[in-house]
Amino acid sequence: KAGVTQTPRYLIKTRGQQVTLSCSPISGHRSVSWYQQTPGQGLQFLFEYFSETQRNKGNFPGRFSGRQFSNSRSEMNVSTLELGDSALYLCASSLAGQGVAGYTFGSGTRLTVV
Amino acid sequence: GEDVEQSLFLSVREGDSSVINCTYTDSSSTYLYWYKQEPGAGLQLLTYIFSNMDMKQDQRLTVLLNKKDKHLSLRIADTQTGDSAIYFCAETGPNAGNNRKLIWGLGTSLAVNP
Repeated sequence: KAGVTQTPRYLIKTRGQQVTLSCSPISGHRSVSWYQQTPGQGLQFLFEYFSETQRNKGNFPGRFSGRQFSNSRSEMNVSTLELGDSALYLCASSLAGQGVAGYTFGSGTRLTVV
Repeated sequence: GEDVEQSLFLSVREGDSSVINCTYTDSSSTYLYWYKQEPGAGLQLLTYIFSNMDMKQDQRLTVLLNKKDKHLSLRIADTQTGDSAIYFCAETGPNAGNNRKLIWGLGTSLAVNP
């Protein structure tokens, strides 16, 4: 079966702009989580969606938001981009959240803010 | 609060065994995971261990869990150059029903020298 698909793979944006990232989970997976990965901070949890509802949220400002659609696809939006938002954004899906099987990760979207 | 710590770098010679260590603080962890991230890729689940187990072996991988010391290790036997990657330790966070979120270490960068 197809893995977790994230689009786009690479993105360059200017400070102040907004960006939307997309994640298509593995077919049948209902949980989608988003992470920000930077060299200095490692993996930082953004939020988790399950059946179109946000179930968990990390400690990020309100500029970071997300949503999940009825087909489990998820989007993440960052408004008013800052230089510090440059990072690899990873999406992970699982059947029902933190379970035995863990997460399956996509390859990520590399966002560069200039 | 919850925390997962790993050493940042490990260098081994091809054919030797690698041991990557991780300590965690949350005693209510149910599952502990090891993920591998190759350059430019997302995270790949390598293995996991349930908290009531002491050891799990899967081909070249051996996971040891010392629950008393909250110490987790991943041993890779006969390390190959293809094992060069960043290895992340993660644990399920505090029990909040189904709303657990994974707590991640910063990752150990494994370099395998020929």
